[in-house]
Amino acid sequence: AQKVTQAQTEISVVEKEDVTLDCVYETRDTTYYLFWYKQPPSGELVFLIRRNSFDEQNEISGRYSWNFQKSTSSFNFTITASQVVDSAVYFCALSEAPWRANSKLTFGKGITLSVRP
Amino acid sequence: DTEVTQTPKHLVMGMTNKKSLKCEQHMGHRAMYWYKQKAKKPPELMFVYSYEKLSINESVPSRFSPECPNSSLLNLHLHALQPEDSALYLCASSPRTGARGTGELFFGEGSRLTVL
Repeated sequence: AQKVTQAQTEISVVEKEDVTLDCVYETRDTTYYLFWYKQPPSGELVFLIRRNSFDEQNEISGRYSWNFQKSTSSFNFTITASQVVDSAVYFCALSEAPWRANSKLTFGKGITLSVRP
Repeated sequence: DTEVTQTPKHLVMGMTNKKSLKCEQHMGHRAMYWYKQKAKKPPELMFVYSYEKLSINESVPSRFSPECPNSSLLNLHLHALQPEDSALYLCASSPRTGARGTGELFFGEGSRLTVL
């Protein structure tokens, strides 16, 4: 069975600080996808990134960067120079073998990030 | 702005009422989903539609009845709900029709439902 663990539940930082959100996953599949979603107070879940299991390259998008390490089953998310608008709940998610009929997207419990001015 | 539009944004209903939640997307996605999210919890999958056909029902009680009239619209009909059904109901669509939302999902802002 697949599992996503986000051990941090709440993080509070001051604006312009860097912050890393941790995500550890478990899966028996060799092919899988990892995702990060952002849920601001308005409610919608915003897709941030998808990474497949064969691509361990780190990714950078503006102030956001992701570090995928299969050796430690981790897919961590770093926000550089955080801003108040980054305040949200962040979910890490895992999808195993998408061609399987019973494949499912599993979310972690989410991390509430508060960025103070 | 989200490209998945959900109405109404807020709904209060009694346990004997019948109401509907609506979702619309114009991205040409052929997979659409209903998720339920309780406060401080991750979203839980309820239903998946693929090419307007119901492909997954995650053992949801029959008081929730989904409907997909066409490829752009998804409804969730509500009847005889319980107070514990109060939650944020999120609609999502995906360009990939993997069984349970295995591609990137595009979510709406949700409909916040309160059952009295």
